Amino acid sequence: AQSVTQLDSHVSVSEGTPVLLRCNYSSSYSPSLFWYVQHPNKGLQLLLKYTSAATLVKGINGFEAEFKKSETSFHLTKPSAHMSDAAEYFCVVSLSNFGNEKLTFGTGTRLTIIP
Amino acid sequence: DAGVIQSPRHEVTEMGQEVTLRCKPISGHDYLFWYRQTMMRGLELLIYFNNNVPIDDSGMPEDRFSAKMPNASFSTLKIQPSEPRDSAVYFCASSLYSGSTDTQYFGPGTRLTVL
Repeated sequence: AQSVTQLDSHVSVSEGTPVLLRCNYSSSYSPSLFWYVQHPNKGLQLLLKYTSAATLVKGINGFEAEFKKSETSFHLTKPSAHMSDAAEYFCVVSLSNFGNEKLTFGTGTRLTIIP
Repeated sequence: DAGVIQSPRHEVTEMGQEVTLRCKPISGHDYLFWYRQTMMRGLELLIYFNNNVPIDDSGMPEDRFSAKMPNASFSTLKIQPSEPRDSAVYFCASSLYSGSTDTQYFGPGTRLTVL
């Protein structure tokens, strides 16, 4: 079975300071991992994904995440927060096995940016 | 491409009525997914299709829910009869070759309110 745990339901940072959103996963097989972002009243949009290539993954809008197998973590970071980063962020895991195309979503982390 | 299109964007209905949600995936995408998002349960996969064929409907909550994909450019999710606990935002998503490794592109969602 696969699962993902987002360690913080809500994170607040000041504009211009670093962002850290934490995610731990559990998977019996080699996982694919994603971060999606959802702005208010919008659908989800892919930020970045890891599919067994480079462990440091760069995404859109200056976000990046590092896959750490030993820690079963895939934390999302950004060096400097912008007001437009305020949104809900979802960590997602999949098994990457043929025949199983389902994603498992975390419960989400709401990011608030303080002016 | 216009992205994934969903209609209606908002639906308000009374308990016991039939509700039909519609989705047009991105042209050329092989996979289509229906999700439901609520505060209590987060984002749940209801069903997904590959090349118009339903593959996994284990997330469909009850027999009151049904989904069809008559062709590659159209899918429906029907609830009959609707109940207040069905109130949620329903998202449709599509992906090119894989649901577990490719990017899933989400529509804007349909906000359903059952009175």
